[in-house]
Amino acid sequence: EVQLVDSGGGLVQPGASLRLSCAASGFTFNTYAMAWVRQTPGERLEWVSSIGSGGVPTNYADSVMGRFTVSRDNSKNTLYLQMNSLRDEDTAVYFCAKYMGSSGTSLRTFDNWGQGTLVTVAS
Amino acid sequence: DIQMTQSPSSLSASVRDRVTITCRASQTITTHLNWYQQKPGKAPDLLISGASISQTGVPSRFSGSGSGTDFTLTISNLQPEDFATYYCQQTYSLPVTFGGGTKVYI
Repeated sequence: EVQLVDSGGGLVQPGASLRLSCAASGFTFNTYAMAWVRQTPGERLEWVSSIGSGGVPTNYADSVMGRFTVSRDNSKNTLYLQMNSLRDEDTAVYFCAKYMGSSGTSLRTFDNWGQGTLVTVAS
Repeated sequence: DIQMTQSPSSLSASVRDRVTITCRASQTITTHLNWYQQKPGKAPDLLISGASISQTGVPSRFSGSGSGTDFTLTISNLQPEDFATYYCQQTYSLPVTFGGGTKVYI
């Protein structure tokens, strides 16, 4: 059974940094691209970043480009999101998500999600 | 970016009703359209991919249709466990984008 366990969220001040982690199990982690998706307090879903199975390519939403960095450690079956220069508008529940496949309509389709970790940015 | 517009944003329904949710893309996305169900406090759950392909274990009362820019999720014979929020998502191009959600309530 696929399991994704998100962690690392918390309450931070604007300008601070935070690193999220996603521990994966139940599938061959190093063969799937992964992503981070966030859900705002208004319950809107926003794609944040994606990373290829081997660590490249990486892609980012414009709103986080230059501030967030996605990475993975395939030896530890773990996905990361380093978040720097956090802003109020980054407040959200952050989910890691697994790509269903690598081509066609499976590409960028998220067939498994973590439980989410809450990031609150406030002074 | 491709904008996804869902309607309605919420709807009231009863058990055994037939419910239809629509999703419109701001440009053609062929059949690169997914539907997710989300219950309070939980992560979204993939129901349908490729506009009409139901995932393993999804009840047959859920069906998806459409291509190009207009898509529909239909729930026939609504069951108590179907009261949730439904989101569409386009995967045609980055950034992937989601509709605003449709909350189905009693």
